[in-house]
Amino acid sequence: QVTLKESGPGLVKPTQTLTLTCTFSGFSLTTTGTRVSWIRQPPGKALEWVARIDWDDDKFYNTPLRTRLTISKDTSKNQVFLTMTNMDPVDTGTYYCAHHGNFRDLRAFDIWGQGTMVTVSS
Amino acid sequence: QSVLMQPPSVSGAPGQRVTISCTGGSSNIGAGYDVHWYQQLPGTAPKLLIYTNNNRPSGVPDRFSGSKSGTSASLAITGLQAEDEADYYCQSYDDALSGSVFGGGTKLTVL
Repeated sequence: QVTLKESGPGLVKPTQTLTLTCTFSGFSLTTTGTRVSWIRQPPGKALEWVARIDWDDDKFYNTPLRTRLTISKDTSKNQVFLTMTNMDPVDTGTYYCAHHGNFRDLRAFDIWGQGTMVTVSS
Repeated sequence: QSVLMQPPSVSGAPGQRVTISCTGGSSNIGAGYDVHWYQQLPGTAPKLLIYTNNNRPSGVPDRFSGSKSGTSASLAITGLQAEDEADYYCQSYDDALSGSVFGGGTKLTVL
């Protein structure tokens, strides 16, 4: 059974760096074809894909956010990390990590974590 | 503004059929990329509802179906039930942005 759970600081100040952790079970990020993404959702607004990391350590970022993001993994601990620099109040929202399903284009998110709320405020 | 356009809201009475459209362009749906649909119940994480245009994951009722044509896709829900009241999102891939993109979401109200 695939599960994912996000964790983070909850509250960060403007200009600070945010680090989120996604701890997962039921799959390995060393298995060919496995991918994990981060997706965020401001309060009352739509979903926005943020970043993706693949089993072979390929990394992909949302273009407008690219300069602020770093995604990484620790396969021995079954964890994926997201770092976002220079946080701003507009970055406030729920951040989800999600497993990519083994479907044709490998881009559908078949299992989601419960999400972690991040508030950016001084 | 989202790359994929959805109506902000739709509604229907119990037992009725509703459809939710997802309109893209030549760099995403029109380029042949698959469309996926998610259901987000209030206060919960999104759940995969339809993958690869018209496939249901195990456990999703056959009242839910998807289709894709040209630069658009649609989600149809038949036999509407109160528990279907949720936000629905479409998702695809965009060449120009080199990443996954979501629609703006559609709130379904069961009257």
